[in-house]
Amino acid sequence: GAGVSQSPSNKVTEKGKDVELRCDPISGHTALYWYRQRLGQGLEFLIYFQGNSAPDKSGLPSDRFSAERTGESVSTLTIQRTQQEDSAVYLCASSSHLLAVAKNIQYFGAGTRLSVL
Amino acid sequence: AQKVTQAQTEISVVEKEDVTLDCVYETRDTTYYLFWYKQPPSGELVFLIRRNSFDEQNEISGRYSWNFQKSTSSFNFTITASQVVDSAVYFCALSEGDTGRRALTFGSGTRLQVQP
Repeated sequence: GAGVSQSPSNKVTEKGKDVELRCDPISGHTALYWYRQRLGQGLEFLIYFQGNSAPDKSGLPSDRFSAERTGESVSTLTIQRTQQEDSAVYLCASSSHLLAVAKNIQYFGAGTRLSVL
Repeated sequence: AQKVTQAQTEISVVEKEDVTLDCVYETRDTTYYLFWYKQPPSGELVFLIRRNSFDEQNEISGRYSWNFQKSTSSFNFTITASQVVDSAVYFCALSEGDTGRRALTFGSGTRLQVQP
């Protein structure tokens, strides 16, 4: 697609359930990032994938959070045993290191709004 | 560790007024990139500008202009003759290193409301 696509756009779950959030990056973008945005706050980095390199997981807040990416395509962020404090908008971004003008600029999806009841 | 501070939580102006959004950053790296993003009510972040640490030239794009001053670690954003469509949350962000690939560190954002 033309932009970064995220699904679902909204997710309501019960405390203790697992959730999976999906991100489709811009075609050809080698880098993919996940961020979390709590209500009224800035974005917090979670995890970064670059091509086939080992991901940078330094921003994951706990071992309940994990993410996968196959090659340079879709990524899935999984939150296990969700807690109310996990309620936030989860944003995905992708970038390319090859484009001359837009090199390494992160382009964001519209996010998934997660509500944990 | 890197940090971005946007001290203005919310600004309200009347259409056609000029408005400046402040951004102050902290980093130990000598090479880094600074960004501004706009987040309209729809929620999707829109890229506005990127500036690297070696380029202190101010930039103007239509009604938008940016003032980068390394001496004060600031990267301020001015909207001239504001319009209602400028209403959004604006984020300043920092990426350390010489590639710009590292994850972004965001400020807490400034909500701009432009009244007609």
